[in-house]
Amino acid sequence: AAGVIQSPRHLIKEKRETATLKCYPIPRHDTVYWYQQGPGQDPQFLISFYEKMQSDKGSIPDRFSAQQFSDYHSELNMSSLELGDSALYFCASSLAGGRSGDTQYFGPGTRLTVL
Amino acid sequence: AQKVTQAQTEISVVEKEDVTLDCVYETRDTTYYLFWYKQPPSGELVFLIRRNSFDEQNEISGRYSWNFQKSTSSFNFTITASQVVDSAVYFCALRFTSGTYKYIFGTGTRLKVLA
Repeated sequence: AAGVIQSPRHLIKEKRETATLKCYPIPRHDTVYWYQQGPGQDPQFLISFYEKMQSDKGSIPDRFSAQQFSDYHSELNMSSLELGDSALYFCASSLAGGRSGDTQYFGPGTRLTVL
Repeated sequence: AQKVTQAQTEISVVEKEDVTLDCVYETRDTTYYLFWYKQPPSGELVFLIRRNSFDEQNEISGRYSWNFQKSTSSFNFTITASQVVDSAVYFCALRFTSGTYKYIFGTGTRLKVLA
């Protein structure tokens, strides 16, 4: 079965640079979630989109922005990168905005390293 | 407070031993969902099980079993006859049915199965 696709899988950036992470949800899934997992930590929710509209917002820095496009893929844009942004970034997708209790299925993650 | 507690930071067992991972949650909601995910060394988050708050039946899937007790707000996970491939970090997560559909993760339990 098709899974969530994230690209790139690894990304190395310098401080103050920008980065764009991409997420392609499971076909027919209409909701995308972004999580950030620091080393040795649990994933922390950043933001979610349902039917191309922002549906929820967590601890996402103002330097980050995201959107969901008409084909349901999503991009997380990160600017003025800081050392503390080094983490594993997960995208997850689900059906129906999550209201039905549908499980979130996670992509393999993008490992961002800021030097 | 709405939170998930996984008090066991790390557990080591010898192959073929049984092991139980504890998960205790707090929520004011009467309807919610609980999940377990596995994060192997490769980093991806693998869905294991979903349980809604109305279904207190225990579940068994192969060597995995889950014990949900609403009275004690616990959703424990047992691996029978553990194998080296079970070595991973296991996360318990809580999700609500209204307002926000993000996951609240516990801090995870690192399981090491020694040959």
